[in-house]
Amino acid sequence: GAGVSQSPSNKVTEKGKDVELRCDPISGHTALYWYRQSLGQGLEFLIYFQGNSAPDKSGLPSDRFSAERTGGSVSTLTIQRTQQEDSAVYLCASSPRQYLTDTQYFGPGTRLTVL
Amino acid sequence: AQSVTQPDIHITVSEGASLELRCNYSYGATPYLFWYVQSPGQGLQLLLKYFSGDTLVQGIKGFEAEFKRSQSSFNLRKPSVHWSDAAEYFCAVAEHSGGGADGLTFGKGTHLIIQP
Repeated sequence: GAGVSQSPSNKVTEKGKDVELRCDPISGHTALYWYRQSLGQGLEFLIYFQGNSAPDKSGLPSDRFSAERTGGSVSTLTIQRTQQEDSAVYLCASSPRQYLTDTQYFGPGTRLTVL
Repeated sequence: AQSVTQPDIHITVSEGASLELRCNYSYGATPYLFWYVQSPGQGLQLLLKYFSGDTLVQGIKGFEAEFKRSQSSFNLRKPSVHWSDAAEYFCAVAEHSGGGADGLTFGKGTHLIIQP
């Protein structure tokens, strides 16, 4: 079956521009997660959704970052006024439920480069 | 706060030799532990996971890992590596907030190089 998909696969933007990153989870998965992978910080957890709700947004790096999920499916991570330190690979994962024991299935990521 | 340490940034192993990748965690309760592999240009793939029970867990691609509570370790092993095992390996622990599961906390990763 189809896995987690993310678009675009690569995004180059200029400093100060806004970007939107999209994640399509595996069909039927109620939990969705966003992570960021960068050389300096490694893999960082950003935010998760149970259904359309994100109970805890404290993992987002700054108030320039926001995320939403609609219809219990597609999620969008938005970065406003991008900075060079936002350059990273943004990974999305989904799991059947929001349980610790559920495997998180990862997408291929979106590589964001801020010039 | 919980943390995961992978002491080895790079490891080089000859093809056919055995492999052990180290992982140490810091977590107050019983940890839920995972090993993921990331091949170049690929997403993260789960190799194995430990929640409870038998401390030796088997995973895909011939990998296994052993949970040792006394050493706070969850080391990954493979008896004989193949060139296709060259990749980045991440150890992770599941984080649990008061309201339910959150995200995974990952180690910095170990880059595995296979020599012919």
